[in-house]
Amino acid sequence: QVQLQESGPGLVKSSGTLSLTCSVSGDSITSGTYYWTWIRQPAGRGLEWIGRVYASGSINFNPSLKTPVTMSVDTSKNQFSLTMRSVTAADTAIYFCARGRPSSVAGECFDSWGQGILVTVAS
Amino acid sequence: IQMTQFPSTLSASVGDRVTITCRASHSFSTWVAWYQQKPGKAPKLLIHKTSNLESGVPSRFSGSGSGTEFTLTISDLQPDDFAIYYCQQYNNYPWSFGQGTTVEVK
Repeated sequence: QVQLQESGPGLVKSSGTLSLTCSVSGDSITSGTYYWTWIRQPAGRGLEWIGRVYASGSINFNPSLKTPVTMSVDTSKNQFSLTMRSVTAADTAIYFCARGRPSSVAGECFDSWGQGILVTVAS
Repeated sequence: IQMTQFPSTLSASVGDRVTITCRASHSFSTWVAWYQQKPGKAPKLLIHKTSNLESGVPSRFSGSGSGTEFTLTISDLQPDDFAIYYCQQYNNYPWSFGQGTTVEVK
């Protein structure tokens, strides 16, 4: 059974860099079957897809995000990461990593999630 | 694609049949998922591809729809079903979620 676990600082300074890591167990991120994804949820609000990384290193981001985003994979540790630079208070949210199950001709739904990590951006 | 979910809050009793609707800003078919989220927990995938029940999810959950309207129905509501439910479209990039429906005790 796949398990995902987010880690990283819970407090980031405004205009600073948010860096999170997702550790995956029970599945290999290099299997090439799934997309490895970040989703966030501001307090009391809905879910927002941030982006995904594939085993090959191919990356896609939500074009509506105002904050610059990068993602990467570390195959030796079976982890993938999210970096957001120049964050503002609007980036305060619970951040989830998730496994994206691709469809045959469209995008993906998310069949396994980490427990989430609250990141607060404060001045 | 924007997904407008309604109602935002639904008050119901154990044993009720409840229906949650997601209306899409553009018409498409098939690629809708539904999730259940409980306080302090991650969302749980219930249904994918509009009507396909995820393994282990009780059969009282069902999904349907096409075009611009998709629904999640819970027949015979159980105490464990009081939660927030989200729809998600993965037909058009970027994938997007509805704003959620809270199913609360009446």
